Amino acid sequence: KQEVTQIPAALSVPEGENLVLNCSFTDSAIYNLQWFRQDPGKGLTSLLLIQSSQREQTSGRLNASLDKSSGRSTLYIAASQPGDSATYLCAVRPRGNNRLAFGKGNQVVVIP
Amino acid sequence: DAGVIQSPRHEVTEMGQEVTLRCKPISGHNSLFWYRQTMMRGLELLIYFNNNVPIDDSGMPEDRFSAKMPNASFSTLKIQPSEPRDSAVYFCASSPRIGEAFFGQGTRLTVV
Repeated sequence: KQEVTQIPAALSVPEGENLVLNCSFTDSAIYNLQWFRQDPGKGLTSLLLIQSSQREQTSGRLNASLDKSSGRSTLYIAASQPGDSATYLCAVRPRGNNRLAFGKGNQVVVIP
Repeated sequence: DAGVIQSPRHEVTEMGQEVTLRCKPISGHNSLFWYRQTMMRGLELLIYFNNNVPIDDSGMPEDRFSAKMPNASFSTLKIQPSEPRDSAVYFCASSPRIGEAFFGQGTRLTVV
């Protein structure tokens, strides 16, 4: 069974610092990995999708890397802003089916 | 497209009552998922449909839970009878075949 772990569970950073969020998974036989953002009381918004053949994806200040062999992904948020405060969830999709396995998230607070 | 639409957004019900949650997936998406989110367990997959057929219902906690997808544009998750421990946020998501998942805003269920 795929286990997805996100460390740290919660963190606070001053505005302007770079954020580094870690995700690890136990089974490297994945199809792709997806990072989501969740604001309090809201649904999940997809941020980045990395296919298993890719090493990274970038969108604006966000960059996600994938090291499939070691079962790790990292989400970098450059020059953090208070609006980046949210919970960030990592999810992996195994080969052969479309179900996602989620981590419990990194809860981020960016202090103005 | 309006995205994945869930109703109701909030539901408060008494223990023992039947609860029905509704979901309209994004048009053209082949897969539909029901998830439950709690503080303790994070996001858990309850059931997953592909082309309206249930593929994996191993996450459905017990017989009190049932899900249907009578057509490609509608799904329901029913809890009968409801219990206080069912209180959670229930999310519906849809996805093109082996693709990015899109989530609804969720239904916050409180069973008193």
